[in-house]
Amino acid sequence: EPEVTQTPSHQVTQMGQEVILRCVPISNHLYFYWYRQILGQKVEFLVSFYNNEISEKSEIFDDQFSVERPDGSNFTLKIRSTKLEDSAMYFCASRSVGHSGYTFGSGTRLTVV
Amino acid sequence: GQNIDQPTEMTATEGAIVQINCTYQTSGFNGLFWYQQHAGEAPTFLSYNVLDGLEEKGRFSSFLSRSKGYSYLLLKELQMKDSASYLCAVSSGGSYIPTFGRGTSLIVHP
Repeated sequence: EPEVTQTPSHQVTQMGQEVILRCVPISNHLYFYWYRQILGQKVEFLVSFYNNEISEKSEIFDDQFSVERPDGSNFTLKIRSTKLEDSAMYFCASRSVGHSGYTFGSGTRLTVV
Repeated sequence: GQNIDQPTEMTATEGAIVQINCTYQTSGFNGLFWYQQHAGEAPTFLSYNVLDGLEEKGRFSSFLSRSKGYSYLLLKELQMKDSASYLCAVSSGGSYIPTFGRGTSLIVHP
C-alpha cells in the first residue's frame, strides 16, 4: 500500500537553529499538508500546498515557517529559528483529487533544547 | 471558528460494541472525518461523512446528523488492537481542511 514517508523520524536541535523536515508524499497525490501535534494535545493544521503554492495556512504558520516542493517528489517544512515551543510531532499528509481522506506519514518528532 | 467536543476517555470489553460521540459547532459545514491514532503513530483515516445517515465499513460505522451537529463512531466486535485514540475532525466554511478535536482515548480490556 502506498505510504507517505517522513525523515528523520526524530530530530533534536538547539533553540535558534534552523531545521528542515522532509516528506515524500504518495506519488499520484496532488494536495500536501503539514500538521503538528504537541505531546498530549490535538493535531493542529499548519499549511496546505497545491499546484506549487500555499493554498491555506493557519495562524501557527508564521514567518518562521516555510514549505517547498524542490522537485517532483519531496515536500519540505523549514523552521528558520526554532523555539522551545516548536517541540512537537510534525506530520506530513497527502491526498489525491476527489478523495477526502488524508494519508499521514509516520511523523518527525522534533525536540528543541 | 469551530468547537469540537468528544469524551476524553472510554473503556470497553473485548468483543463488545462501543459508540464514541462527537458534537460540533460550526458554520458552513463541509464534512466530518474520523481518524484512528495509536500512541506515537500517525492518524489513519477511518471515515468521511457529508450527508446525514450511517456509513458502514466493516466493523466500523459512522453516523452524522447535520441539524444536531452530532456524529458518532460505532465499533463492533472490539479487539485489543482497537485500543487507540479516535479523532473527530470537521471541515467548514471555504476550507475543506479538517480541524481536529482532542480525541477520545479508547481502552479495550479482556
